[in-house]
Amino acid sequence: DQQVKQNSPSLSVQEGRISILNCDYTNSMFDYFLWYKKYPAEGPTFLISISSIKDKNEDGRFTVFLNKSAKHLSLHIVPSQPGDSAVYFCAASDSKNAGNMLTFGGGTRLMVKP
Amino acid sequence: KAGVTQTPRYLIKTRGQQVTLSCSPISGHRSVSWYQQTPGQGLQFLFEYFSETQRNKGNFPGRFSGRQFSNSRSEMNVSTLELGDSALYLCASNRLPSSYNEQFFGPGTRLTVL
Repeated sequence: DQQVKQNSPSLSVQEGRISILNCDYTNSMFDYFLWYKKYPAEGPTFLISISSIKDKNEDGRFTVFLNKSAKHLSLHIVPSQPGDSAVYFCAASDSKNAGNMLTFGGGTRLMVKP
Repeated sequence: KAGVTQTPRYLIKTRGQQVTLSCSPISGHRSVSWYQQTPGQGLQFLFEYFSETQRNKGNFPGRFSGRQFSNSRSEMNVSTLELGDSALYLCASNRLPSSYNEQFFGPGTRLTVL
């Protein structure tokens, strides 16, 4: 039973355009959401996070949107750059009950073409 | 500040053997979590340790165990290895046992079971 799902295994966008990565979750106890980026042979790197009390969080080119009623979040990258090409993981946490335990989605491979 | 280090980086074992993986968290971080990444199951939480105590445990058989030492270094052990245990094992460290703080991942240990 996948509690966090990323339905698009891959996404290809042109350099300079917007990349939108989507993530759905089912567990209502999740109250904190994170996006990680992963290159081959490296561990995931934290990108941006959002608490369930917010619906948007921005950090430079990265914006995360949270729609609690739809149990959906998305990561927007504007403008996309070739260096953004990597696998992106959405993760969720029940911060009150599960400490540092993160539940990850399956990942979306983003390819940004020059 | 040195990052999370994991040793060894690569390991080949045969079925039935046991293996011990090591993780040294970032200095000052007292929480260490372990994750297993496989192509089929994605990133799955194994367990979390804080101040030498296991705080959370994922849905893995008892063959998977771990511990944390007083200097926050952690080890995980897999006994009676199976082919399906072939995976990338990632360790993440955090200052506190709360997902509101960013978790920093190590590069992982690639375990191959033959």
